Amino acid sequence: DTGVSQNPRHKITKRGQNVTFRCDPISEHNRLYWYRQTLGQGPEFLTYFQNEAQLEKSRLLSDRFSAERPKGSFSTLEIQRTEQGDSAMYLCASNRLAGEVNEQFFGPGTRLTVL
Amino acid sequence: GNSVTQMEGPVTLSEEAFLTINCTYTATGYPSLFWYVQYPGEGLQLLLKATKADDKGSNKGFEATYRKETTSFHLEKGSVQVSDSAVYFCALRRLTGNQFYFGTGTSLTVIP
Repeated sequence: DTGVSQNPRHKITKRGQNVTFRCDPISEHNRLYWYRQTLGQGPEFLTYFQNEAQLEKSRLLSDRFSAERPKGSFSTLEIQRTEQGDSAMYLCASNRLAGEVNEQFFGPGTRLTVL
Repeated sequence: GNSVTQMEGPVTLSEEAFLTINCTYTATGYPSLFWYVQYPGEGLQLLLKATKADDKGSNKGFEATYRKETTSFHLEKGSVQVSDSAVYFCALRRLTGNQFYFGTGTSLTVIP
């Protein structure tokens, strides 16, 4: 078990550029979540997938944000036309569909800086 | 709505001191409650959890009790160590759905 991995770990981009992040969940986990964390704040939910289906999206997820999980394994989060306000840590988490409440396992995050 | 309010930091304690980090929540129904910890340079890790009223979660000497009457889930440890220095996040998972709601985090520094 290698845990949840995210790539890249850091991304610096200019305003207006598009960026894409990747998350590889723990292999047997069928649920995958994206969060955004800004400095001094806790993670804020963006969206989650069960297998390849995107089941819930936060109002924080503007039209410039899109997430996919095409084969129910890894996921990508794309931000189009980045703005300085998009600068944050983007966290991915995963867990298994289970009858009991279970924890979410978090990756190390991708830190985005928009200049 | 659902939200978590956490004691503001930073908190600085001497080794072997008693720790309390306050956490209160607002939720519809009866959520599950969690404490996550983030060590420097690492991702969030589950510290402990409680799924119903009066449950006590415990791990690594940390404890928290789910208090429905006060809508609280305060984190405590009797004797902190330097290695406990980290940011601690209180979180709730609502009864329906899978979304977690996190507090703003409390930074703890333990000095020798």
